[in-house]
Amino acid sequence: DVKVTQSSRYLVKRTGEKVFLECVQDMDHENMFWYRQDPGLGLRLIYFSYDVKMKEKGDIPEGYSVSREKKERFSLILESASTNQTSMYLCAATRGTPHYNEQFFGPGTRLTVL
Amino acid sequence: AQSVAQPEDQVNVAEGNPLTVKCTYSVSGNPYLFWYVQYPNRGLQFLLKYITGDNLVKGSYGFEAEFNKSQTSFHLKKPSALVSDSALYFCALGGGGADGLTFGKGTHLIIQP
Repeated sequence: DVKVTQSSRYLVKRTGEKVFLECVQDMDHENMFWYRQDPGLGLRLIYFSYDVKMKEKGDIPEGYSVSREKKERFSLILESASTNQTSMYLCAATRGTPHYNEQFFGPGTRLTVL
Repeated sequence: AQSVAQPEDQVNVAEGNPLTVKCTYSVSGNPYLFWYVQYPNRGLQFLLKYITGDNLVKGSYGFEAEFNKSQTSFHLKKPSALVSDSALYFCALGGGGADGLTFGKGTHLIIQP
């Protein structure tokens, strides 16, 4: 199975800070995703990437940016953290065509913005 | 736009009884349907998927799901529930021109001893 790791399980930041969330996968999958998970809202797609240096906006990209300089690493950046970005962030990876291949998820980063 | 609905926020089942977690979908074109499970403070784990073929799909941990095109449903089932099945379950939909998966809001499954 693909192993997807995220740099932090828990993170506490202050309003206005620049925040980096890192995700690494070990199986050479071309597609990577960032979601946020909030109670009662399920998972919402922030950004995804089909390949190195490629990125596409998901459903809720505002306030976020991403970087994919290497195939195995996909970073989510909060340019200026705000309290409404307090959430669980999940990274995922998949091979081939994204909409009919299962995604492999990391353990998540629970971010609190004070 | 495609969508996924999980009509129940929570499902309570006694251990040993059959369980069903409901999912309905809306999409233009062929649906690709998935179930994932999330245990507390963990990421999502893939359970099963329907792409084409048999309407009854078998997956991990004894779970299965039935695809019903006329009712646009993909309900998750298990013949005999275990306490360890207690978790948050997500239905997800691919296809319809979307780039990835659209997730439902999740259903908390609680198995009572």
